[in-house]
Amino acid sequence: DQQVKQNSPSLSVQEGRISILNCDYTNSMFDYFLWYKKYPAEGPTFLISISSIKDKNEDGRFTVFLNKSAKHLSLHIVPSQPGDSAVYFCAASVAGSARQLTFGSGTQLTVLP
Amino acid sequence: GAVVSQHPSWVICKSGTSVKIECRSLDFQATTMFWYRQFPKQSLMLMATSNEGSKATYEQGVEKDKFLINHASLTLSTLTVTSAHPEDSSFYICSARRTGANVLTFGAGSRLTVL
Repeated sequence: DQQVKQNSPSLSVQEGRISILNCDYTNSMFDYFLWYKKYPAEGPTFLISISSIKDKNEDGRFTVFLNKSAKHLSLHIVPSQPGDSAVYFCAASVAGSARQLTFGSGTQLTVLP
Repeated sequence: GAVVSQHPSWVICKSGTSVKIECRSLDFQATTMFWYRQFPKQSLMLMATSNEGSKATYEQGVEKDKFLINHASLTLSTLTVTSAHPEDSSFYICSARRTGANVLTFGAGSRLTVL
């Protein structure tokens, strides 16, 4: 039972354009959502997060949107750069669970120069 | 910021041997650490939650006798893959959370190849 889903295994975007990565979840107990970026043979690197009490969080080129009613979140990268090419994982956690994370399956983003 | 160090980054071993992977929080204390496993092109799957001074909590389907976890101090957790077999070959990643933080910091991962 996949509680966090990333239905697009890959995404290609032209440099300078917007990248939109999507994530859906099924567990209504999730109250904190994160995006991690991962390069091959490396551990995930934290990118941005959002609490369930908010619907948007912005950090530089990265913005995360949360739609609780739809159980959907998205990561927007504007403008996309070739260095953004990596696998992006959506993750979620429940308060009181020691903040263990449930990950989506990841989306490979390729930004074309 | 929070830094998690993992060692070794790559290990090759013969089938039947045991391999120990270390996870250290370098600049903070972590009462809880997490061990994940990732197969190629798949998601990170939580294997177990490592608790300092007590037994680890294993996820369903993870053999606790095969994947021994020891969290002897607030800055060190170890994962020992006992009697490793080729199907144990994978990428193992640990993570830790600074007290009060919502964000997990991950180590760089350890690539295990069992011949």
